[in-house]
Amino acid sequence: KAGVTQTPRYLIKTRGQQVTLSCSPISGHRSVSWYQQTPGQGLQFLFEYFSETQRNKGNFPGRFSGRQFSNSRSEMNVSTLELGDSALYLCASRPTGYYTDTQYFGPGTRLTVL
Amino acid sequence: SQQGEEDPQALSIQEGENATMNCSYKTSINNLQWYRQNSGRGLVHLILIRSNEREKHSGRLRVTLDTSKKSSSLLITASRAADTASYFCATDGRGGGADGLTFGKGTHLIIQP
Repeated sequence: KAGVTQTPRYLIKTRGQQVTLSCSPISGHRSVSWYQQTPGQGLQFLFEYFSETQRNKGNFPGRFSGRQFSNSRSEMNVSTLELGDSALYLCASRPTGYYTDTQYFGPGTRLTVL
Repeated sequence: SQQGEEDPQALSIQEGENATMNCSYKTSINNLQWYRQNSGRGLVHLILIRSNEREKHSGRLRVTLDTSKKSSSLLITASRAADTASYFCATDGRGGGADGLTFGKGTHLIIQP
């Protein structure tokens, strides 16, 4: 099976712009989660989608949003970018989202905000 | 917020030696997972241990879990240069099964050839 894929791998934006990142989960996986990784805050949970519904959300401002499509692919959007949004954004998928499921991560999208 | 705290923050050993990393967490968990990350790339899943398990093995990896002390350890035996990476523990809390993973800040492991 192909792993989790994320596009684009690298992105450079300027403050105030918006950005959309994409994630394709492992075939058959219905849960997709997003994480932000920064040197200062480490890895932090953004949100999880399951069957096109946001099931859980981390402590991030409303500028961070996401959605999931019927084929389980997911996108996350960040509006009005700030310098502090520069980070590695990781997507993870798992079959059902039940706690016994292992989460498999993609390679990440490195976002730089200038 | 960070739940897991790995110890040590950095570890440098000679190839062939064993490496032990520890993780502590604060709240009740359903399971605990260990991940490896090479140079800011994606996370590679190593092993998942459930809250009712005490020890688990996978190849050169051995993980223990002590829920009474809210701690876990990862042992890598016979280390190799390719094991150089950052290692993270992550907990999946008791939140109905739909909570995100809570990660520690990681242990940076360097294997000297």
